[in-house]
Amino acid sequence: SAVISQKPSRDICQRGTSLTIQCQVDSQVTMMFWYRQQPGQSLTLIATANQGSEATYESGFVIDKFPISRPNLTFSTLTVSNMSPEDSSIYLCSVIMTGRNYEQYFGPGTRLTVT
Amino acid sequence: KQEVTQIPAALSVPEGENLVLNCSFTDSAIYNLQWFRQDPGKGLTSLLLIQSSQREQTSGRLNASLDKSSGRSTLYIAASQPGDSATYLCAVRYNFNKFYFGSGTKLNVKP
Repeated sequence: SAVISQKPSRDICQRGTSLTIQCQVDSQVTMMFWYRQQPGQSLTLIATANQGSEATYESGFVIDKFPISRPNLTFSTLTVSNMSPEDSSIYLCSVIMTGRNYEQYFGPGTRLTVT
Repeated sequence: KQEVTQIPAALSVPEGENLVLNCSFTDSAIYNLQWFRQDPGKGLTSLLLIQSSQREQTSGRLNASLDKSSGRSTLYIAASQPGDSATYLCAVRYNFNKFYFGSGTKLNVKP
C-alpha cells in the first residue's frame, strides 16, 4: 500500500488569507486527487492533480480558488485561497495504485478552520 | 446522475453482534467499489476493494459483497468489537477519475 503524509495536519486561519497543503507519497503514482469533507458530510472530489499539466477541476471548483501543483509523481500541493468560514473542512489527498487493482488510498487529512 | 446511498446512517450494537452495512448505487456500470473506515477527524483507511467482475471480498472479520445488477453492496462485520466503532464509507468508481462516496454509516459498538 502507499504511505501518504499531509502537512499541516490542522490549522486555524483568518478570513481572507491562503493556506497551502502538502501531500507526499512514498512511491511514484500516476493518479492523485484532492477531496474536501465538510463537517458532517461525505467526501467531494475537488480536482485531479496532473503531473506536468494543469489540474482537472470538478464542477463547482475553480483554479483561482484552489490552485494545485504537481511537480512530480510523489508530491502535490493544494492552496485554499482567500478563505472564508465556508472553507472550514477536512482536505484529503488520495492516490490510486494501479499496481494494486486501482485501490485508492488516502492521506490523514488536513483539518482547516477559518475564523 | 450517479448517486450512492448508505443505510443506515447510524447504528449502535452490543459487542459481539454480527452486523450488515448497506450501500446502493444508481448506475450499475461501475469499475469497482471500495469500503473505507474513517475514525473521527482522521483520513480514510481502505478495508476492501471489489472489482466489477467480483461478487465478494473477505478480510478477517469483514466480508463485502457486490450485486451490480441490483446496484447494491453490503459490508458484513462478524463478532463486532468496540474498536470497530467508526464511520464506514463506500465509494463507487465509474471511470478514470470519477468517484462517488456515500454519506457513511456511523457505527457504535458498545462494550
